[in-house]
Amino acid sequence: DIQMTQSPSSLSASVGDRVTITCQASHDIGNSLNWYQVKPGKAPKFLIYDVNNLRPGVPLRFSGSGSGTDFTLTISSLQPEDIATYYCLQYDPLPPTFGQGTKLEIK
Amino acid sequence: EVILEESGGDWVQPGRSLRLSCTTSGFNIADYAMSWFRQTPGKGLEWVGFIRSRGYGGTTENAASVKGRFTISRDESKSIVYLEMKSLKSEDTGVYYCTRDLPAGDVWSGYTDYWGPGTQVSVSS
Repeated sequence: DIQMTQSPSSLSASVGDRVTITCQASHDIGNSLNWYQVKPGKAPKFLIYDVNNLRPGVPLRFSGSGSGTDFTLTISSLQPEDIATYYCLQYDPLPPTFGQGTKLEIK
Repeated sequence: EVILEESGGDWVQPGRSLRLSCTTSGFNIADYAMSWFRQTPGKGLEWVGFIRSRGYGGTTENAASVKGRFTISRDESKSIVYLEMKSLKSEDTGVYYCTRDLPAGDVWSGYTDYWGPGTQVSVSS
């Protein structure tokens, strides 16, 4: 199975800060990388697919980049509603595997 | 409008069985792959398995951690997807979600465009 190493595990930042979360795959996964946002008590929200494609309705302050084994989720200007835990997911090859998650908090 | 709603979550003792249902509306489940995920205290988010669309055989794939114990199926006439869970363990405790996925042939597309709100499964003695 592909192992996804996500960092940091937690992050404290101020409103307006630029925030970066990284995911490293144990093997080349091309562009088969998605990002999810999870808030307590709510279903995960599918944010970004195939590395850098925003889902409809996702604010433009979110962006993704990378290829092969190294990937990044960036929030250009952190907003209070962005407080959540973020997960990367590689989906090809099977089985799909998630990173361990990054808990984002407001400083 | 596309709607998914999980049900059937409960507290059960280790070794027992449980069947979760994902009741859908607004689309034909035969035309889509459907997945189950879970969020557990120990492992965060985890893919449980998926069932391919009818056009790609309706076959299933499961995570190694549940293989041989969990089975995914669907009733197209009722628009329901099931997750049959047997020999439950404490590490199966978590919130279980079903998703609608764009079909992608034999592989899994990863494009989970709709999620249900989840149902809680608790396994303990």
